[in-house]
This record gives sequence, structure tokens and C-alpha cells, in this order.
Amino acid sequence: DIQMTQSPSSLSASVGDRVTITCRASQSISNYLNWYQQKPGKAPKLLIYAASSLQSGVPSRFSGSGSGTDFTLTISSLQPEDFATYYCQQSYSNPYTFGQGTKLEIK
Amino acid sequence: QLQLQESGPGLVKPSETLSLTCTVFGGSISSSSYYWDWIRQPPGKGLEWIGSMYYSGNSHYNPSLKGRVTISVDTSKKKFSLKLSSVTAADTAVYYCARRDGSGYDWFDPWGQGTLVTVSS
Repeated sequence: DIQMTQSPSSLSASVGDRVTITCRASQSISNYLNWYQQKPGKAPKLLIYAASSLQSGVPSRFSGSGSGTDFTLTISSLQPEDFATYYCQQSYSNPYTFGQGTKLEIK
Repeated sequence: QLQLQESGPGLVKPSETLSLTCTVFGGSISSSSYYWDWIRQPPGKGLEWIGSMYYSGNSHYNPSLKGRVTISVDTSKKKFSLKLSSVTAADTAVYYCARRDGSGYDWFDPWGQGTLVTVSS
């Protein structure tokens, strides 16, 4: 199985900050990488697919980049509704695997 | 807009079989462009992919579940189902159904709201 490792596991930031979350794959996955946002008690929501494509309806302050083994999710200017847990997911090979999550908290 | 909704018992006894159903609203379950998947999340933990079903009946499962999983589809009722046998406390989780894009990048969207299944006697 491909292991996905996110860093940091948790992060404190303020409204208006620029934030970057990193996801590393245990082997090259090209750009087969998706990002999700999950709020407490809710299902995950797709933000980014194919490493850098913004899902329809997702604010443009969210962006993704990377290929191979290293990927980043960037939020350019944090809004109050962005405080949540973020997960990466590889879709390069079965079984599909997720990172352990990055919890973004208000400073 | 496509919506998914899970249903099934919230409490299952150890060694028994967990059974859940996902109903698809506002779209077709027979589209050749998508797969229908189950994903779970133990309380306070991360996400684990369980398996998937194509409308034609082809299925794929996570080997970590060691043959305990069966996913089936009823296209006439726009439902797909999960069965997980010989459950233990480790199978306690929120279970989500989701549509998976079949174009190659296999993202999950949308998701159902999730249903908590507790394994306990």
C-alpha cells in the first residue's frame, strides 16, 4: 500500500494568514492526489483533485501543487470557515489511501 | 444535484455482520463514469477506504479487511450496499458512502452524511 504522510498534524493560525499543508507519498504517484476538508460531525468535502485542479464551487484561495511524492495545499488568506481538518488521498493505486489529517485551529 | 444517504443499524454485536445501504438521489447509479464506494472513519481517527462497486457489478475491496467485505448494487432501486462480516470493536466507525470519479483521478465526491456504527454486545 502507498503510505501518505501529512505535516504538520496540527497547525494554529490566524484569520488572514497564508497556510501550507504538506503531503508526502511513500512512492511516486505522479499527480494522482486529491485534497479534502472535513469539519466536525460532517463528511469530507472535495477541494482539489489531480493535485492542482480546483473543484467547482471551492473558493480560489485554495490551491494545490506538486507531483511525484511531494504535494502541498495552500490557503492564501485564511477565513473563519476554513478552520477544519484537511486530508490528502492518493488515487494512483488500489487500495486508495489517505493521509492522517492536518487539523487547522484558530490561534 | 446528486446526494447520497446511508442507512442501517447503529449497533452491531461482535462476530455478527454489519449491513448498510446507500441510496442515490438526484442522479443515476448506472453511469459508466462513476464508481460507488464505502469509506470509514473510526472515532477521532483518519479515513480508510473499504471498497467499491461499479454499476455492472465489478467490485474491488481493501485487502486489509481480509475478505470480510461484500459490496453489491441494485440499480433498479438506486442503492448500493455494504456487508462486513465477523465484526469486532475495531470496526466501530462512521461509515460513509461516496461516488468516485472514474476518469482516472478517482476523487470522492459527493459523500453521504455518514452513519455511526458501534460494535458492542
